[in-house]
Amino acid sequence: AQTVTQSQPEMSVQEAETVTLSCTYDTSESDYYLFWYKQPPSRQMILVIRQEAYKQQNATENRFSVNFQKAAKSFSLKISDSQLGDAAMYFCAYGNSGYALNFGKGTSLLVTP
Amino acid sequence: NAGVTQTPKFQVLKTGQSMTLQCAQDMNHEYMSWYRQDPGMGLRLIHYSVGAGITDQGEVPNGYNVSRSTTEDFPLRLLSAAPSQTSVYFCASSYTTGGGDTQYFGPGTRLTVL
Repeated sequence: AQTVTQSQPEMSVQEAETVTLSCTYDTSESDYYLFWYKQPPSRQMILVIRQEAYKQQNATENRFSVNFQKAAKSFSLKISDSQLGDAAMYFCAYGNSGYALNFGKGTSLLVTP
Repeated sequence: NAGVTQTPKFQVLKTGQSMTLQCAQDMNHEYMSWYRQDPGMGLRLIHYSVGAGITDQGEVPNGYNVSRSTTEDFPLRLLSAAPSQTSVYFCASSYTTGGGDTQYFGPGTRLTVL
């Protein structure tokens, strides 16, 4: 079974600074997808960014980017120019079935003024 | 498009009661799934469906039942509620092809079993 590990239960960043959230995963598959989801206090799960494993280029979405290291099975999320609205729980997830994702336990991000 | 909708948003049950959590999507997605979210545990898969009439168990299926009679709806039934089923429940849907496994989530249902 695929496992996803987020080793940082909590992280803190100052407004306008950069923070990196870590994620590692375990799989024997060669084709798969990796995701970061954001869960604010409203509890809605919001897709932040997606990475296809067959693509070497790291995905970016505005202030959010990933560092995807396939051989190391590492998938970190970098948030640049952090904003107060970025405060949330962030989940790393793995998928290759189409119908379900395997989630990490989450990292709680605090943004301070 | 309303996306994925769930009702109710909150529910309190007594031990032994039964109820159905409703989930519907209007994106014509073939795949639908139910997850539960417990503190410190992330999201865990309860049941999933790859099309109307087809369902299967996920990681934590005990105490839950599902059916999929239409593409749009995927209700989750709690047969005899237990305090261990206190959790937040999410329904999600995804494309079969071309969607890259991206799951679209409903707003969740917070369930408390006393």
